[in-house]
Amino acid sequence: EPEVTQTPSHQVTQMGQEVILRCVPISNHLYFYWYRQILGQKVEFLVSFYNNEISEKSEIFDDQFSVERPDGSNFTLKIRSTKLEDSAMYFCASSIDRDQPQHFGDGTRLSIL
Amino acid sequence: KQEVTQIPAALSVPEGENLVLNCSFTDSAIYNLQWFRQDPGKGLTSLLLIQSSQREQTSGRLNASLDKSSGRSTLYIAASQPGDSATYLCAVSSGNTPLVFGKGTRLSVIA
Repeated sequence: EPEVTQTPSHQVTQMGQEVILRCVPISNHLYFYWYRQILGQKVEFLVSFYNNEISEKSEIFDDQFSVERPDGSNFTLKIRSTKLEDSAMYFCASSIDRDQPQHFGDGTRLSIL
Repeated sequence: KQEVTQIPAALSVPEGENLVLNCSFTDSAIYNLQWFRQDPGKGLTSLLLIQSSQREQTSGRLNASLDKSSGRSTLYIAASQPGDSATYLCAVSSGNTPLVFGKGTRLSVIA
């Protein structure tokens, strides 16, 4: 069964550094998402992406964050200048359509030191 | 602002029991509701999606119901097995947010 893949599985970065999290969505899916889950807390929506542009974003997704689909397969989340509070599990998801099930990757655990 | 609550936070049952997990949401104007399973250190596995026009969905031993007007959904698991042990998350799609999640119910099925 096709799946969403995320790399790396664990990223350790110094505060203030830039980090790029990578995702390969399911190939025939058109909608792409990023979520995060701080340890012990709820999964929170960050941003959705469709037709090569951001379609929705939350208050969390401020100017420090950006997303890109640099080629036909990858979908990336960039955090420009990481803060301690950015430490979380980041999940990528994709769906065929806006109202169809979202399929999640296994996540990238981001640790900011 | 949509809020999703799941009760109970944790549940422990003996193998073979039928069980119900509850989810409530504050804004009934939803597009759909999705149930996920999350294993420790892993991503989310989609179990069932109910569109706002539907009342229930079934997959194997799982049955999810939706009562949009009262802002509630239940996930029924029949004949529970130790392999069902995981955290179960409820999430609703509404407004400008693709999914708003509850905190989950941590299920332990004891052999």
